[in-house]
Amino acid sequence: DGGITQSPKYLFRKEGQNVTLSCEQNLNHDAMYWYRQDPGQGLRLIYYSQIVNDFQKGDIAEGYSVSREKKESFPLTVTSAQKNPTAFYLCASSMGQGGTGELFFGEGSRLTVL
Amino acid sequence: AQSVTQPDIHITVSEGASLELRCNYSYGATPYLFWYVQSPGQGLQLLLKYFSGDTLVQGIKGFEAEFKRSQSSFNLRKPSVHWSDAAEYFCAVQYGNKLVFGAGTILRVKS
Repeated sequence: DGGITQSPKYLFRKEGQNVTLSCEQNLNHDAMYWYRQDPGQGLRLIYYSQIVNDFQKGDIAEGYSVSREKKESFPLTVTSAQKNPTAFYLCASSMGQGGTGELFFGEGSRLTVL
Repeated sequence: AQSVTQPDIHITVSEGASLELRCNYSYGATPYLFWYVQSPGQGLQLLLKYFSGDTLVQGIKGFEAEFKRSQSSFNLRKPSVHWSDAAEYFCAVQYGNKLVFGAGTILRVKS
């Protein structure tokens, strides 16, 4: 079945450690996205990528980094510079240019920094 | 600035009652509009979308939404709510390459 796989589902880390969240899709979508979700704030865009080897900052990119070396994969690193990293992180994909903008989401990764 | 407003943070309805969730947006042109639903601890699932044409769109699970250009609104409706509809609902608007989401409305269903 086609879809988006995020791992791990739950992650605990100590303050000051970098953490990498995995996102893989087999939908053959060009565009991929990372959102952060906090209670009462909806989804805020961290980074997005329209094509391989290219990505753009979203609204809250500070303290995060990404790479897009393969079409299927868009990992997110939460660095020690992110002041408040505890959150629910959602990865999504869409067809990209020429598509309708509809996003397909993974099941999310919950990061807790102790 | 581009924004999406969902004025109700929480809504509680009785099972079998009708439902309307409100969504307003700021955008000059006719936007692409979406409603997503999220169960606790899960990703988001698309309920319905509007791109053009008929302003009343039908979605999955018996939901519908109406686009009203004059009010910059895209409200979600369901004639009869089921207990399984309890979830968080997000309105979203496409601005260029990005989807901007509202803050969400949590729906509680009482029996």
